[in-house]
Amino acid sequence: AQSVTQLDSQVPVFEEAPVELRCNYSSSVSVYLFWYVQYPNQGLQLLLKYLSGSTLVKGINGFEAEFNKSQTSFHLRKPSVHISDTAEYFCAVSLPKTSYDKVIFGPGTSLSVIP
Amino acid sequence: KAGVTQTPRYLIKTRGQQVTLSCSPISGHRSVSWYQQTPGQGLQFLFEYFSETQRNKGNFPGRFSGRQFSNSRSEMNVSTLELGDSALYLCASSPRDPKRIEAEAFFGQGTRLTVV
Repeated sequence: AQSVTQLDSQVPVFEEAPVELRCNYSSSVSVYLFWYVQYPNQGLQLLLKYLSGSTLVKGINGFEAEFNKSQTSFHLRKPSVHISDTAEYFCAVSLPKTSYDKVIFGPGTSLSVIP
Repeated sequence: KAGVTQTPRYLIKTRGQQVTLSCSPISGHRSVSWYQQTPGQGLQFLFEYFSETQRNKGNFPGRFSGRQFSNSRSEMNVSTLELGDSALYLCASSPRDPKRIEAEAFFGQGTRLTVV
């Protein structure tokens, strides 16, 4: 079975500083990986996803993530954060070509951008 | 293009009551999924509907049920509410067959249910 870990429950960072949100997964087979963002009082929005191919995935709002199979990681990065990036970030994993009920979400990382 | 609309946004109910939540997907989307989000359990899958048929169901008791109408709108019902049912209930719609995880799911803002 697959699982996903987000080691940092809260990450405070100053505005315009870089940030990395960590995600590690566990699986014995190939997986799809996702990052979602949830702004206060909002639903989830897909930031980016890795299905196959290039290990560096670029998403919306200047975010990118790198799939590292040997480290079983899919860390999310942004070179310079803005106040508007304050939100909850969820990493998720699923098997390829499966359905939404099989998506496993991580516990989330709360990113707080400090002015 | 209008997004996924969930109504109501906030709801307060007492234990033992029942509640019905509504989700209107993006126009043209035929797949609707429901999730429960709590601080302790995180995001958990409830069920998934496609063309008025329930395709998948998560590990929730029978008090949780749902349905989808011919216009793809979906409702979920929780009977005999318990305090532990307090949560944010999220609905997501997708344009294609739910078996295709590659198709992006678009989430609504959710319904915040508080059971007192």
